[in-house]
Amino acid sequence: AQSVTQLDSQVPVFEEAPVELRCNYSSSVSVYLFWYVQYPNQGLQLLLKYLSGSTLVKGINGFEAEFNKSQTSFHLRKPSVHISDTAEYFCAVSTDKLIFGTGTRLQVFP
Amino acid sequence: NAGVTQTPKFQVLKTGQSMTLQCAQDMNHEYMSWYRQDPGMGLRLIHYSVGAGITDQGEVPNGYNVSRSTTEDFPLRLLSAAPSQTSVYFCASWRNTEAFFGQGTRLTVV
Repeated sequence: AQSVTQLDSQVPVFEEAPVELRCNYSSSVSVYLFWYVQYPNQGLQLLLKYLSGSTLVKGINGFEAEFNKSQTSFHLRKPSVHISDTAEYFCAVSTDKLIFGTGTRLQVFP
Repeated sequence: NAGVTQTPKFQVLKTGQSMTLQCAQDMNHEYMSWYRQDPGMGLRLIHYSVGAGITDQGEVPNGYNVSRSTTEDFPLRLLSAAPSQTSVYFCASWRNTEAFFGQGTRLTVV
């Protein structure tokens, strides 16, 4: 069985500060890993994905994530956040089904 | 190319009523899923399908029924609505590399 754990339900941060949103997963088989963003009252938008190859993945809006197989982690980072990054972020893994974490609400303050 | 079409967008039901949420995709994807999104709980998998004629239960299947008679369609049936089923529902169509989501259905059961 596969599962995803997002360790922080809320992350408050000031504008222009760096941020890291943590994600750990478990699976008995190889997985693909994703980060999605959901802005208020909207659907889900793909930020980035790890399929294979380089463990550092770059996505849209300046976000990047690093796949760490030994720690079964896929943490999302951004070196300098903007007010517009305020949203909910979901980590997900896929095998024959696509499973999401419980989400991390990123709140960026001026 | 419409992607994933999910209807209706809003629905209010009385306790005990039944209804079907429709989901159709035109990308010839084998995998389709239904999720419910509740505050603080992320997207929880209700049912999923890996191809026409094949369905399986996710994390929260009770009170819901699905079928997959064609590759394109994956309807979700609420057999006897309960207030606990008040939620936002998302349909997804996906391959291993990326998922595409419907616009969501905001369902209220009174």
